[in-house]
Amino acid sequence: RKEVEQDPGPFNVPEGATVAFNCTYSNSASQSFFWYRQDCRKEPKLLMSVYSSGNEDGRFTAQLNRASQYISLLIRDSKLSDSATYLCVVKSGGSNYKLTFGKGTLLTVNP
Amino acid sequence: NAGVTQTPKFQVLKTGQSMTLQCAQDMNHEYMSWYRQDPGMGLRLIHYSVGAGITDQGEVPNGYNVSRSTTEDFPLRLLSAAPSQTSVYFCATGLAGGNTDTQYFGPGTRLTVL
Repeated sequence: RKEVEQDPGPFNVPEGATVAFNCTYSNSASQSFFWYRQDCRKEPKLLMSVYSSGNEDGRFTAQLNRASQYISLLIRDSKLSDSATYLCVVKSGGSNYKLTFGKGTLLTVNP
Repeated sequence: NAGVTQTPKFQVLKTGQSMTLQCAQDMNHEYMSWYRQDPGMGLRLIHYSVGAGITDQGEVPNGYNVSRSTTEDFPLRLLSAAPSQTSVYFCATGLAGGNTDTQYFGPGTRLTVL
């Protein structure tokens, strides 16, 4: 099983739609979890961290299920500007520094 | 504040040539790292450093060397380029031991090895 696995995508949704991305991780000792966003031919940027209690930032909601080793990202009321690749990222236990990235899920929001 | 800068933006090499990818940061971050990104493979860690004089290998270190003589700079050297090293290379920085959750990426170097 790969360390971090994501929905392969691509996702094509109309403006205003709600879309959810899922991610699973294999290392049960993993400590921290994140979603990064990467625009076409650009560098990845942190979108949000994922906390055990779940967290929300505007139209974005991230959730973590440690028992199932599962992370999700929900985007409500999609905008054209949300079109990007979304990367699930895990920081494993025992390392303060190393991040493991999923392959990413491409989202295209259509007018 | 320039943040994280990488040079060159694009490079074409012939097999066997050597070159150095430059990465510089002005955020006084202790942690610096190099990733490569290939289609269908995601970002993979090549080498990283938690401070000047300290480097360590990541997931795919073969064919690459690094050094960290200053906090600001973390160059990546390809000693003898191979077509398998064709990729997009990203440098990233963060605060070692503190909130390394946020890593800041440079704009990338697109390398083609013929």
